[in-house]
Amino acid sequence: NAGVTQTPKFRVLKTGQSMTLLCAQDMNHEYMYWYRQDPGMGLRLIHYSVGEGTTAKGEVPDGYNVSRLKKQNFLLGLESAAPSQTSVYFCASSFPGTENEQFFGPGTRLTVL
Amino acid sequence: GQSLEQPSEVTAVEGAIVQINCTYQTSGFYGLSWYQQHDGGAPTFLSYNALDGLEETGRFSSFLSRSDSYGYLLLQELQMKDSASYFCAVSGSNYQLIWGAGTKLIIKP
Repeated sequence: NAGVTQTPKFRVLKTGQSMTLLCAQDMNHEYMYWYRQDPGMGLRLIHYSVGEGTTAKGEVPDGYNVSRLKKQNFLLGLESAAPSQTSVYFCASSFPGTENEQFFGPGTRLTVL
Repeated sequence: GQSLEQPSEVTAVEGAIVQINCTYQTSGFYGLSWYQQHDGGAPTFLSYNALDGLEETGRFSSFLSRSDSYGYLLLQELQMKDSASYFCAVSGSNYQLIWGAGTKLIIKP
């Protein structure tokens, strides 16, 4: 089992460019999450999904969109990147009722110039 | 609002015991989780407390007092590989975890 995978691992964007981060999990988890982590800080939830076809806003959703067309995939989109979106992005997944125990992907390091 | 407080940095000696504290203010509290994150790595789950008391998993233990809105992670027989950041996180009623800012554990030989 690969667990939770993320692509790409690194990316550099120019201000205004768009991109999509892909998260895939093979653990048959219902719940999936997108976080961002800035230096010296904890994780902040961007969006999450409790099942295929459903998404919801987290703590810091502005500037991001998500889609969960398949149970195993959760996509995070940046429509018009800004330098404030320079961060490390983590995807995670969990079973229903066990959001306390989340399994994380390796992260995507995004720099917006 | 919801918030968690934990020390930004703790230093200990290899082989010793260290305690990392976490206090929280939150609504709809279900439990307190602890995660470990090595530099450049992803968070990994360590433990979860839903009820008051101590949970032990090998060298690591976690404690919760719901009445005091307080918990801690106890690491025994410290090893150099335990050098990492440790995060407490609170689960509430809306499928989300709210995370503390993390405690960097520095271990000296």
